Amino acid sequence: NAGVMQNPRHLVRRRGQEARLRCSPMKGHSHVYWYRQLPEEGLKFMVYLQKENIIDESGMPKERFSAEFPKEGPSILRIQQVVRGDSAAYFCASSPPTRETQYFGPGTRLLVL
Amino acid sequence: KQEVTQIPAALSVPEGENLVLNCSFTDSAIYNLQWFRQDPGKGLTSLLLIQSSQREQTSGRLNASLDKSSGRSTLYIAASQPGDSATYLCAVRGGGSEKLVFGKGTKLTVNP
Repeated sequence: NAGVMQNPRHLVRRRGQEARLRCSPMKGHSHVYWYRQLPEEGLKFMVYLQKENIIDESGMPKERFSAEFPKEGPSILRIQQVVRGDSAAYFCASSPPTRETQYFGPGTRLLVL
Repeated sequence: KQEVTQIPAALSVPEGENLVLNCSFTDSAIYNLQWFRQDPGKGLTSLLLIQSSQREQTSGRLNASLDKSSGRSTLYIAASQPGDSATYLCAVRGGGSEKLVFGKGTKLTVNP
């Protein structure tokens, strides 16, 4: 059973561009979570999704950030008009229906120039 | 609002030492607490998960304890090895919430 997959692993964008980060959960997992790790900071929760539904987006910035988890395909975290402060590692985690624990992917390191 | 603090922020020890990492949290109404390991540029590896009703969990040379009433957890690493060098993260899941609240981590260096 492959682990949580994220791509790209590294992403470089210029200010004002869009960034799309993808997360494929483990097989059989229908719950996805996104976290952000800013330099010298701990991981911060951003959003929790089930298939086709956003359950908790209390950690998402109000503007420029959006997330989806369609019926088919990976979960997408989208950042519009990126700024330098968006540079961070973005981690995705997934959990099975029991939701007892979250399994983390390797992360996407976003660098905004 | 749950806050998680890890002390120390960094720790350097010689190989073979036993060591303790500390984690404290402000809201004792937790569902579980988890210790992770993060290697540079890598993702998170779950080490131990302690349910709120449990006092400790063990896996190999690792032992994690939980004192919910005082808002504390410790991760004990026995006979440390250079391969244990990594950042160790403590994360708390609150009751009625799915999200994990993380501490900033303890960066451990084990010197040969």
